[in-house]
Parts: sequence; structure tokens; C-alpha cells
Amino acid sequence: DGGITQSPKYLFRKEGQNVTLSCEQNLNHDAMYWYRQDPGQGLRLIYYSQIVNDFQKGDIAEGYSVSREKKESFPLTVTSAQKNPTAFYLCATFRTVNTEAFFGQGTRLTVV
Amino acid sequence: AQSVTQPDIHITVSEGASLELRCNYSYGATPYLFWYVQSPGQGLQLLLKYFSGDTLVQGIKGFEAEFKRSQSSFNLRKPSVHWSDAAEYFCAVESYGQNFVFGPGTRLSVLP
Repeated sequence: DGGITQSPKYLFRKEGQNVTLSCEQNLNHDAMYWYRQDPGQGLRLIYYSQIVNDFQKGDIAEGYSVSREKKESFPLTVTSAQKNPTAFYLCATFRTVNTEAFFGQGTRLTVV
Repeated sequence: AQSVTQPDIHITVSEGASLELRCNYSYGATPYLFWYVQSPGQGLQLLLKYFSGDTLVQGIKGFEAEFKRSQSSFNLRKPSVHWSDAAEYFCAVESYGQNFVFGPGTRLSVLP
């Protein structure tokens, strides 16, 4: 099946730890995006990549890092510098610019 | 700057009643417009989209939306709501060369 796979579905992190969220796609889409979702705030853009080996900061990139070494993969690392990381994280892909977004099922990160 | 507003944070309707969810945008040019639906703990699913042409667009699950340029609106409608429609609904806007901008979402509750 073509789609976007985010793993894990639930993730718990101790304060001061870095964690990496996985996003894999087999849709052959060029662009991949990471969003953070908090209750009542909609989706906020963290990082995006429109081509392999290139990525751009979104609106709330501080405390996060990404890589895009392969077209299929766009992992997001939540670093210890992110002061309030508990949230729902969504990965999305776009076939090209100005087309609709396709979403993964999300990862819920909780700091314990 | 581009922005999207969804004036209603939470709407409750009875099953079988009609539904209208409001979306207004602020954009310099005619944007591309989208409605997504999100069930709890899940990713977002595209309901419908408007790129050009007929201003009344049909989507999945019996939803439709109308683009009104004069009002900068793209309201989502359904003539008869089903209990399974209870979810969160996001309006999104995209303009050429710009990233998606999502509204804050409207949570729909359906009474039996």
C-alpha cells in the first residue's frame, strides 16, 4: 500500500533526552513536512524539505532538527533544547508544490 | 501575511441536522483551498479541495464547500450529519510559492 508511516505511535521521553520520530513514505513525493499540533492551535510548521539533502525551517523550528538523506525518509529529532515537547507530531508529504498534503497517522510524544 | 480563521472552535449538532463550518482567509491572490478532517489520535484526511473553476466543490462523505471570493470564504457544508462525522475539521490555504496555512480547527460534536 502506498502511504506515509510514522513511528512510533506513542513515545515517552525523559527530560533532557533527545528523541527521534520516524517518517517514511512510499508515495514518491518530493516534499515532506513536519507539523506540531497542540489543542486549540491547529498545525504549526516545524521543518520542511522539498528535495533530498535540503530542508528549511518552519515557524517553530527551535529545539528540533531534521535530515533528508533519502527521498523516502524525513526523521525529526526533538532535542533537549525544546522546552515544551509534549505534543502530537504529524508528518505530511506533497507530490509537488500547490497540491494537497497527505498525512501520516501521527506520533504522540509525552515528556515524563 | 496569509492567515486562515475558523470562527467556531466547537459546534454541536443533532444527528440528521445540516451543518456549516466557516472558514475565512486573508490572501493577496486567489489561493488553493482545502478542508481536512481529523479523528482523535489520527492524521488528517482530505475532504475536498478547490483550485479553480466551479466554486461549489464536492468532496467525500457527502461534504461540499463553496468558494466565495467576495467574502474570502470557503465554508464546508453537509445536508445531514451522521454520528461518525464527529471529528475536528481544518481549513487550509495555499498560495503559489507559499506553504500551507492551517486554520485552528473546529471540533464537531454530534448528538444522537
